[in-house]
Amino acid sequence: DTAVSQTPKYLVTQMGNDKSIKCEQNLGHDTMYWYKQDSKKFLKIMFSYNNKELIINETVPNRFSPKSPDKAHLNLHINSLELGDSAVYFCASSLTLTGYEQYFGPGTRLTVT
Amino acid sequence: AQSVTQLGSHVSVSEGALVLLRCNYSSSVPPYLFWYVQYPNQGLQLLLKYTSAATLVKGINGFEAEFKKSETSFHLTKPSAHMSDAAEYFCAVSVPNFGNEKLTFGTGTRLTIIP
Repeated sequence: DTAVSQTPKYLVTQMGNDKSIKCEQNLGHDTMYWYKQDSKKFLKIMFSYNNKELIINETVPNRFSPKSPDKAHLNLHINSLELGDSAVYFCASSLTLTGYEQYFGPGTRLTVT
Repeated sequence: AQSVTQLGSHVSVSEGALVLLRCNYSSSVPPYLFWYVQYPNQGLQLLLKYTSAATLVKGINGFEAEFKKSETSFHLTKPSAHMSDAAEYFCAVSVPNFGNEKLTFGTGTRLTIIP
């Protein structure tokens, strides 16, 4: 069983389009995250949610809108895609907010042309 | 604010040799420290974690790391490298912050194993 899954794995789209990435975890965790990994492999947190509540919004442009319909799901919608949005986006989850390791999904490689 | 520095963006070792990947952290309070591994085109997998228990932490695949407060270091070691260890390794830090904890990652170290 996959612990943290993301769809799609690859996403190629044109500038200006709107796209969504879905994430699901079956670990029973309370907390979920979105990270962006750039072309130099640098990983930066974008958002965290705890029990469907937004906890961290790391100065991400408001074109990015996360949504958590329940604590097992955290989706990421991106409006008006730009070239600079091209990256690998990782979803992760942890038992709760404090001191626990995070489990990562396989990533979604977004390419904006 | 917390931060992590990984010295050496690329490290090459011969198969069977010692692996040493360096990580130094900065934190105003006692941190939690993690090492993750990323194989090509995959997500990150936890190797080991330090959360204020024993300072020598053993992880998966024969890796271990030692927390040294005086040196603000958390270096990753493995006595004998295997070809399957070739990957990108990330050190990460988080600190207790009333529910606003976040993982801050280092820039990563690519480990190459020479046959």
